[in-house]
Amino acid sequence: GIQVEQSPPDLILQEGANSTLRCNFSDSVNNLQWFHQNPWGQLINLFYIPSGTKQNGRLSATTVATERYSLLYISSSQTTDSGVYFCAVEPGGKLIFGQGTELSVKP
Amino acid sequence: DAGVIQSPRHEVTEMGQEVTLRCKPISGHDYLFWYRQTMMRGLELLIYFNNNVPIDDSGMPEDRFSAKMPNASFSTLKIQPSEPRDSAVYFCASTKDGSTDTQYFGPGTRLTVL
Repeated sequence: GIQVEQSPPDLILQEGANSTLRCNFSDSVNNLQWFHQNPWGQLINLFYIPSGTKQNGRLSATTVATERYSLLYISSSQTTDSGVYFCAVEPGGKLIFGQGTELSVKP
Repeated sequence: DAGVIQSPRHEVTEMGQEVTLRCKPISGHDYLFWYRQTMMRGLELLIYFNNNVPIDDSGMPEDRFSAKMPNASFSTLKIQPSEPRDSAVYFCASTKDGSTDTQYFGPGTRLTVL
């Protein structure tokens, strides 16, 4: 089956810093989504981005489907950005999740 | 919209007992997904429905697990009998147009089997 690898597995930032999270996948996909799981466990959809670039406030994402990777950019990080960021891909019918990047933003 | 609703939020039970988890999808969403999240296995899809019909249940771990969707606004995931290794957070999600659409997750049910 398709493999989804996220890096780095853990990241500690000082408030105000920028970061880039990466998602590599091993096969062609129809769909790619980024999620944020906050410290209370709630999963929030950030982007639906099978290809191209999208921006939402301080967050932006880019997917290069031909090269099988996606990047999530967080600018001017805030403590509320802490949590786990998941990439999920859909090769055919269902979402396959990566193991996540755990982000901790320190004040 | 109220979002995806799950109940209970927390469930503690003893091994061998029956457990029923409930989910109400977002109105108008035709797809419903059940996921399980554990430290060891991460987030994994158990089963999903389209228009109340189960489409793919290949992720259901064993016969102790069953899921139903009697109507467009309600689904259950049942574990009988429960075992300690079933302890996990169970999420329900829904979408309008399948997995090629944005998925909206419920708050999850944290299950502990003693």
